[in-house]
Amino acid sequence: AQTVTQSQPEMSVQEAETVTLSCTYDTSESDYYLFWYKQPPSRQMILVIRQEAYKQQNATENRFSVNFQKAAKSFSLKISDSQLGDAAMYFCAYKAGNQFYFGTGTSLTVIP
Amino acid sequence: NAGVTQTPKFQVLKTGQSMTLQCAQDMNHNSMYWYRQDPGMGLRLIYYSASEGTTDKGEVPNGYNVSRLNKREFSLRLESAAPSQTSVYFCASSEGLSPNYGYTFGSGTRLTVV
Repeated sequence: AQTVTQSQPEMSVQEAETVTLSCTYDTSESDYYLFWYKQPPSRQMILVIRQEAYKQQNATENRFSVNFQKAAKSFSLKISDSQLGDAAMYFCAYKAGNQFYFGTGTSLTVIP
Repeated sequence: NAGVTQTPKFQVLKTGQSMTLQCAQDMNHNSMYWYRQDPGMGLRLIYYSASEGTTDKGEVPNGYNVSRLNKREFSLRLESAAPSQTSVYFCASSEGLSPNYGYTFGSGTRLTVV
């Protein structure tokens, strides 16, 4: 079975600081993809970053980067220079085959 | 703007009533999905459509039916609503089922069944 675990229901960060959101997953697949989605109060789910499992290099998108540890099945999201607009729910997701599995989310608060 | 459009945004139903949630995408995507989002449970797949003319059950299909009307539209129907179906429903689309395709989500429908 594939499961995605986000062990931090809530996190907070000071504006301009760095925060890391944790995600672990369980899989027996060798070919899969990992994603981080952001859900602001507007409810719209927005793709933040994605990582192909076969790539060793960690994905980066501007202030967002991941630490992908394949052996440990860990996929954390680092947000640098946090901004007020980063406040949202963040969902980690795993995709293999035709199924997409989401974690339960981490609510991020950015403190001015 | 290109994307996934869901209607309605909010709905209140009485137990036993029926309704259809509408979803349309204008990105020429082949695959479409319906998810429900409940507190503490993330998103769970209800039904999906790999391509026009096909539909398949997801993780939590009971109490729902779907129709892939054409390539653009994928509707979700509740025949006899129950309080357990109170949730936020998201429609999503992707180019295909391949794992390398991310999803584009609609803005969700908040459904309350009383």
